[in-house]
Amino acid sequence: AQTVTQSQPEMSVQEAETVTLSCTYDTSESDYYLFWYKQPPSRQMILVIRQEAYKQQNATENRFSVNFQKAAKSFSLKISDSQLGDAAMYFCAYRSRMEYGNKLVFGAGTILRVKS
Amino acid sequence: NAGVTQTPKFRILKIGQSMTLQCTQDMNHNYMYWYRQDPGMGLKLIYYSVGAGITDKGEVPNGYNVSRSTTEDFPLRLELAAPSQTSVYFCASRTGRSNYGYTFGSGTRLTVV
Repeated sequence: AQTVTQSQPEMSVQEAETVTLSCTYDTSESDYYLFWYKQPPSRQMILVIRQEAYKQQNATENRFSVNFQKAAKSFSLKISDSQLGDAAMYFCAYRSRMEYGNKLVFGAGTILRVKS
Repeated sequence: NAGVTQTPKFRILKIGQSMTLQCTQDMNHNYMYWYRQDPGMGLKLIYYSVGAGITDKGEVPNGYNVSRSTTEDFPLRLELAAPSQTSVYFCASRTGRSNYGYTFGSGTRLTVV
């Protein structure tokens, strides 16, 4: 079974600075998807960014980018120019491309605090 | 387009009571999921369904039951509620065609006392 590990329970960043959230995963598969979800206090799950394992290029969405290291099974999220609205819980998630059910496997999450 | 609708948003149950958490989606998604989120933890899969009439157990199914009689609805039944079932419950759905595109409901906060 696949597992996702987020080793940083909490992180803090100064407004306008850059922060990196770590994620590692364990799988024997070669074809899969990786995601970062944001969960603000409203509890809504918001997709931040996604990466397809067969693509070598790291995904980027505005101020959010990932560092995908397939051999190391690492998938970190970099938030540039941090804003107060970025404060939330962030979850890393894995999904097999071929496994029945297309289930998401989540890490434990990282609470991000943004200081003004 | 309402997306995924969960009801109720909050509920307090007494130990031993039963209840059904409702989940409805209006996007004609084949795949639906129930997750629970305990404090400081990630989401864990309870049950999932790949289409009407088909359900499968996830990682933590004990104490729960589901049914999928229609594409739109995927209710989660709690029988004999226990304090260990105190959690936030999320329903999600996705089309089978997309590579991503999970839509989550806003969650149900359940407390068992």
